[in-house]
Amino acid sequence: GAVVSQHPSWVICKSGTSVKIECRSLDFQATTMFWYRQFPKQSLMLMATSNEGSKATYEQGVEKDKFLINHASLTLSTLTVTSAHPEDSSFYICSAPPGQGRTEAFFGQGTRLTVV
Amino acid sequence: SQQGEEDPQALSIQEGENATMNCSYKTSINNLQWYRQNSGRGLVHLILIRSNEREKHSGRLRVTLDTSKKSSSLLITASRAADTASYFCATEKAAGNKLTFGGGTRVLVKP
Repeated sequence: GAVVSQHPSWVICKSGTSVKIECRSLDFQATTMFWYRQFPKQSLMLMATSNEGSKATYEQGVEKDKFLINHASLTLSTLTVTSAHPEDSSFYICSAPPGQGRTEAFFGQGTRLTVV
Repeated sequence: SQQGEEDPQALSIQEGENATMNCSYKTSINNLQWYRQNSGRGLVHLILIRSNEREKHSGRLRVTLDTSKKSSSLLITASRAADTASYFCATEKAAGNKLTFGGGTRVLVKP
């Protein structure tokens, strides 16, 4: 079945540094990728929608200059957390929506970001 | 923003018992999905029910959907310790659109 591979699965970084999270669709093309954030014991909140070949669409309250999203190809979307702060520590997860014969969304494994 | 609420927020049961959790949402939907998430891990898709369906089964899972009440329920029968996880409902307004998640129910199945 369709697989979305997310890397890294966990990362620890220092305050002020930037972290890039990659999300790859392994056996299908994803023109759209959704990026979610999940704080401990809370639900998933949509941050932004990345679209191949165009600018990402950000949800209200999400800083586009802080969370840079690039959808460089039909199989790769990246989220870069710039100038990370401890409050950015969270679980980030990408998802490819249904399409091209897929009836359900497929999620990456998630990335646990800890900013120290 | 979250589409709706799930209740209960947490549920503790003995192995073999049934677990029922409910999800309410606010707007019209194309479908509603249920996911499981083990602690600190990614999401596992459990079942999808379309807006024109009222009930669906998959193994030990039974999902109902009441669009007039904008609510859904997930029943796990004969629970096992391995069912311990957080369960989330998610709604999709239109096919291929973003998912909007409920708050989740943390289920603990004691052996």
